[in-house]
Amino acid sequence: GNSVTQMEGPVTLSEEAFLTINCTYTATGYPSLFWYVQYPGEGLQLLLKATKADDKGSNKGFEATYRKETTSFHLEKGSVQVSDSAVYFCALIYNQGGKLIFGQGTELSVKP
Amino acid sequence: NAGVTQTPKFQVLKTGQSMTLQCAQDMNHEYMSWYRQDPGMGLRLIHYSVGAGITDQGEVPNGYNVSRSTTEDFPLRLLSAAPSQTSVYFCASSDPGTRTDTQYFGPGTRLTVL
Repeated sequence: GNSVTQMEGPVTLSEEAFLTINCTYTATGYPSLFWYVQYPGEGLQLLLKATKADDKGSNKGFEATYRKETTSFHLEKGSVQVSDSAVYFCALIYNQGGKLIFGQGTELSVKP
Repeated sequence: NAGVTQTPKFQVLKTGQSMTLQCAQDMNHEYMSWYRQDPGMGLRLIHYSVGAGITDQGEVPNGYNVSRSTTEDFPLRLLSAAPSQTSVYFCASSDPGTRTDTQYFGPGTRLTVL
């Protein structure tokens, strides 16, 4: 079946450190891939997305590249800030119609 | 636009009680869905709707009912609450005209069943 696997958290980094959160997927066909972010006490909001192989999604200094050969969509940021502390979810849509499949989420904590 | 709104924000129920979680959106989105969020399990789809009058089951539908009488509203009903339904519930909407459809989430309802 279709699924998303993320690296387990929590991830704790110092401010200005480099961030990578791994995400791999299993899906039939050609899914669209997403990263959502959930700040404390809030709902999820879209961070970035990519709809086809080799596409790079980017937003707020975060980026992720759709790698079909490795079925991956790893999230990266060159220099994290305390305000990036949140839970990050990788997700996919495997057909038109909006049924999102989520990974389990990765909590990021950035210390000053 | 208010986006996606959910009420209540917090709720405590006793086992066996029933209640309805409200969800509304003002973006004229056809697609709406309910998820539950549990620690270490991400978000799991409960029910979804592709338009007024049309609903379908997601991954974890047991113990929940939905209806979609209007485009704007998509309430989730717990028929007889159980402790296993303690969770955070999120409603989402999107306009799935393409494969790139972005889902917009409400702020969530934190439910505790004693």
